Amino acid sequence: QLQLQESGPGLVKPSETLSLTCNVTGGSISSSSYYWGWIRQPPGKGLEWIGSIYYSGSTSYNPSLKSRVTISVDTSKNQFSLKLSSVTAADTGVYYCARLGIPVGDWFDPWGQGTLVTVSS
Amino acid sequence: QSALTQPASVSGSPGQSITISCTGTSSDVGGYDYVSWYQQHPGKAPKLMIYDVSNRPSGVSNRFSGSKSGNTASLTISGLQAEDEADYYCSSYTSSSTLVVFGGGTKLTVL
Repeated sequence: QLQLQESGPGLVKPSETLSLTCNVTGGSISSSSYYWGWIRQPPGKGLEWIGSIYYSGSTSYNPSLKSRVTISVDTSKNQFSLKLSSVTAADTGVYYCARLGIPVGDWFDPWGQGTLVTVSS
Repeated sequence: QSALTQPASVSGSPGQSITISCTGTSSDVGGYDYVSWYQQHPGKAPKLMIYDVSNRPSGVSNRFSGSKSGNTASLTISGLQAEDEADYYCSSYTSSSTLVVFGGGTKLTVL
């Protein structure tokens, strides 16, 4: 059974870089049938797609975040990572990683349990 | 403001059926059969309930069904149960540079 688990600091200071890792177990991140991605949810609000990556390293980003986002993959560790630079309070929320269908935007399943990241000094 | 429009809330009594709408444009919902629906209970991660407009993943109750007409997709839940009370989000592929759009979410209350 495929499972995803996010990890990383729960508190980030304004202007610094948010860094999260998603560990994938029960399946290979090198599958040619899927993408892998990040989605976030501000407190009490809806879902926002951040970006996605293919095992080859090919990426797609939400244009609203593109200038600050980097997603990378480490197939040897079966994990992928998110970096979001120059964070502000508006970046506070729960960050989820998920497996994506093809094309990007088809579906997200399964999701990690999510990790709350708070941006505050 | 979300790219896809959903009603903020819907409600129904146990045993009844409800439908949640998700309205987009010809660049997303209307143009492609890549619409998915997610159920989210408080404090939990979203769960895929419907993909590609009307397909149910293994393990999802057949009380959940999806459809699409024009630029509007719909999620129908029949035989409402207390456990169905949750937030529901739709999502679609889009031909714009955004690639993925979500609805703002609908809170389902089982009376």
